[in-house]
Amino acid sequence: KAGVTQTPRYLIKTRGQQVTLSCSPISGHRSVSWYQQTPGQGLQFLFEYFSETQRNKGNFPGRFSGRQFSNSRSEMNVSTLELGDSALYLCASSPDGLGNAGYTFGSGTRLTVV
Amino acid sequence: GENVEQHPSTLSVQEGDSAVIKCTYSDSASNYFPWYKQELGKRPQLIIDIRSNVGEKKDQRIAVTLNKTAKHFSLHITETQPEDSAVYFCAATVYGNNRLAFGKGNQVVVIP
Repeated sequence: KAGVTQTPRYLIKTRGQQVTLSCSPISGHRSVSWYQQTPGQGLQFLFEYFSETQRNKGNFPGRFSGRQFSNSRSEMNVSTLELGDSALYLCASSPDGLGNAGYTFGSGTRLTVV
Repeated sequence: GENVEQHPSTLSVQEGDSAVIKCTYSDSASNYFPWYKQELGKRPQLIIDIRSNVGEKKDQRIAVTLNKTAKHFSLHITETQPEDSAVYFCAATVYGNNRLAFGKGNQVVVIP
């Protein structure tokens, strides 16, 4: 059974650009959550999608957006990149997203903004 | 919203000794508490979890205990080994929000 796949693994962008990250969940999982991980801040919740609908959103500016497709694959987009957006972006897959079945994380996308 | 705190932030133990990490949470409605281990450069991996109707759960050298009254839960690692060196994250469900709130992580260093 394939795990959670995130692409690309690494990205280097300049300030002001935009970026799109992709996450393919485990087959049969319908929920995808996105987290930003930075040193000292742990895992900060961005948003969660279930059946193509955003159910939850964290406290991030509107520059951060996402979507989910009918095959449960999800993308997140960050527009007008800032230096502070440099982080590891992790997506997590779960069957129903109710937080009681455990998340399986992907390996993440390391975004560096210069 | 849910606030999850981990203590201590860094823990060094001699190989073979036990390690204990404690987490506190604020939402009394939280009902699921997983622990994740993240080795350097790797993804967080679920190592053990506990639900609110259970007080303790064990899996070989690791165990988790839950005190709902005090709203804290702890990870216990016995007979620590160098491969236990990692960052450990605790988390708790945010009631009605279909998500997990994570603590900031605890760096465990096992000294050979």
